Amino acid sequence: NAGVTQTPKFRILKIGQSMTLQCTQDMNHNYMYWYRQDPGMGLKLIYYSVGAGITDKGEVPNGYNVSRSTTEDFPLRLELAAPSQTSVYFCASSWWEPPEAFFGQGTRLTVV
Amino acid sequence: QQPVQSPQAVILREGEDAVINCSSSKALYSVHWYRQKHGEAPVFLMILLKGGEQKGHEKISASFNEKKQQSSLYLTASQLSYSGTYFCGTGLNTGNQFYFGTGTSLTVIP
Repeated sequence: NAGVTQTPKFRILKIGQSMTLQCTQDMNHNYMYWYRQDPGMGLKLIYYSVGAGITDKGEVPNGYNVSRSTTEDFPLRLELAAPSQTSVYFCASSWWEPPEAFFGQGTRLTVV
Repeated sequence: QQPVQSPQAVILREGEDAVINCSSSKALYSVHWYRQKHGEAPVFLMILLKGGEQKGHEKISASFNEKKQQSSLYLTASQLSYSGTYFCGTGLNTGNQFYFGTGTSLTVIP
């Protein structure tokens, strides 16, 4: 099984550019999450979704948007990238809450 | 809402024991423990639900005291493979979110 797949693995953005981080899971999980992890820090919840068509904000949603049109996909959109968004982004999914969450391999994003 | 972990870092020799603590200011429904190796994604270790149960996974076990809103992870007879950063994640009584702690870096040396 592929599990949770994130693309791209690495990306460099210029300030003000936009991009979409892709996340796909093939486990038919209802719950999906986006986290960011700054160097030496824990994971901060950006957005989460409990099913197709349902999304909600986490701790640090500013500067990001998400959509969940299908069970499998949960893309994260960065609008007007800023240096403060330089981080490693992890997507995760789980059957239900509380979850055993399965994580993707992460996207390392640098904004210059 | 982010849980607090202690200690921040610990260095052990093979065979030694360690305890990592996780504390929340919010009422908890669940506590989860993950380990992350450098440059990799976090990997699930175990989950504990309300009820104060203790769980074990090989030589790694954990307890959950819901009244104190605390959990502890116990690593016994540590092995080199235990090195990594350990995160607790907490599920709140309200809502569908869960939050990760700040992490504890564990290094096991020969």
